Amino acid sequence: GENVEQHPSTLSVQEGDSAVIKCTYSDSASNYFPWYKQELGKGPQLIIDIRSNVGEKKDQRIAVTLNKTAKHFSLHITETQPEDSAVYFCAASGYGQNFVFGPGTRLSVLP
Amino acid sequence: DAGVIQSPRHEVTEMGQEVTLRCKPISGHNSLFWYRQTMMRGLELLIYFNNNVPIDDSGMPEDRFSAKMPNASFSTLKIQPSEPRDSAVYFCASSLGSPYSGNTIYFGEGSWLTVV
Repeated sequence: GENVEQHPSTLSVQEGDSAVIKCTYSDSASNYFPWYKQELGKGPQLIIDIRSNVGEKKDQRIAVTLNKTAKHFSLHITETQPEDSAVYFCAASGYGQNFVFGPGTRLSVLP
Repeated sequence: DAGVIQSPRHEVTEMGQEVTLRCKPISGHNSLFWYRQTMMRGLELLIYFNNNVPIDDSGMPEDRFSAKMPNASFSTLKIQPSEPRDSAVYFCASSLGSPYSGNTIYFGEGSWLTVV
């Protein structure tokens, strides 16, 4: 079955800097890759997603890139702000494959 | 629109007691999921329903756990008897269509369970 790895497990950046979180997956049939943000005491919330027919997607300060050949995808956050501090999860799903989540990255944005 | 609604938000119970967690999915969504989150194991899928029918329950830890979905707008996850190792956050989630086809999953706020 699908296996999703995520790095780093923790990440600290200065406010205003960029943050990058990387995920790799094992099943080449996976074709949908969402990213979730989980704030303390809340459920994971979808922040951006990408499908296998697209290489990059951007939404304001957040972007996701996908490399299907290498089977990895990344979340990029520019101009980080304190409210970006949270745990971020990547996931992969596709034909006959339920969602598989990565272990999460705890992002801390330092003022 | 209302999101996924879970109750109770917090539950503290004694070992051996029965615990029932409740979920109302987003209206119109036909897939429902129960996840468990712990520090050690992260987000684990316990069970997945499609059109009220359990499709994948391979993640249910043992017979003490059971889940039902009597109709499209309600599901329960029951633990009987509860044990301290069941302490975790339990999330209900729903999606429009099958997750196998790349439909987004939307999570509730979770039920924080502590078994003492």
